[in-house]
Amino acid sequence: SAVISQKPSRDICQRGTSLTIQCQVDSQVTMMFWYRQQPGQSLTLIATANQGSEATYESGFVIDKFPISRPNLTFSTLTVSNMSPEDSSIYLCSVEGTGVHEQYFGPGTRLTVT
Amino acid sequence: KNEVEQSPQNLTAQEGEFITINCSYSVGISALHWLQQHPGGGIVSLFMLSSGKKKHGRLIATINIQEKHSSLHITASHPRDSAVYICAVWDNDMRFGAGTRLTVKP
Repeated sequence: SAVISQKPSRDICQRGTSLTIQCQVDSQVTMMFWYRQQPGQSLTLIATANQGSEATYESGFVIDKFPISRPNLTFSTLTVSNMSPEDSSIYLCSVEGTGVHEQYFGPGTRLTVT
Repeated sequence: KNEVEQSPQNLTAQEGEFITINCSYSVGISALHWLQQHPGGGIVSLFMLSSGKKKHGRLIATINIQEKHSSLHITASHPRDSAVYICAVWDNDMRFGAGTRLTVKP
């Protein structure tokens, strides 16, 4: 299994500001995923980040709003830009495991935008 | 209609009760996950299965591929089992159910 850490664990931010969330994995992984979970909702995939290439965004998510970096095989960041209260969610980093269809999740970042 | 449906949405049980959470899906899948999400938000993968049954401690997960249905059972439930349980299926991408919020009262 993979051990994933995220920073910050939670934050309260003002409208119009940006927050960068960090995701660190204890082993090298090819694919990292960023999810959003709005209050009372299921998880929604924001983007898939492979090292050395641009992230692939899902429908409804754009790079200008959620820029992602993937500088190496153990680390990624997600920035939530120009935040509004609608961005208040839990943001989760996830990585693929070594087994087929295995996936592991980070502890999440709880973001509140006021 | 959501491709992954869970029932019930909310479940309250007394400590010691046997609990069943159900998941039905409408797409062809390669694998199904049961995840546990604690109040802080972090998610733990409980099971990944593509056929049959798996058991880990007091947790049992079953899947019927023909009926496109899976169940998660918790035997001798305990207040520390209180969490949101999420069913997720792998069909090129991960697709998530809305979750079942379980509260186990002492």
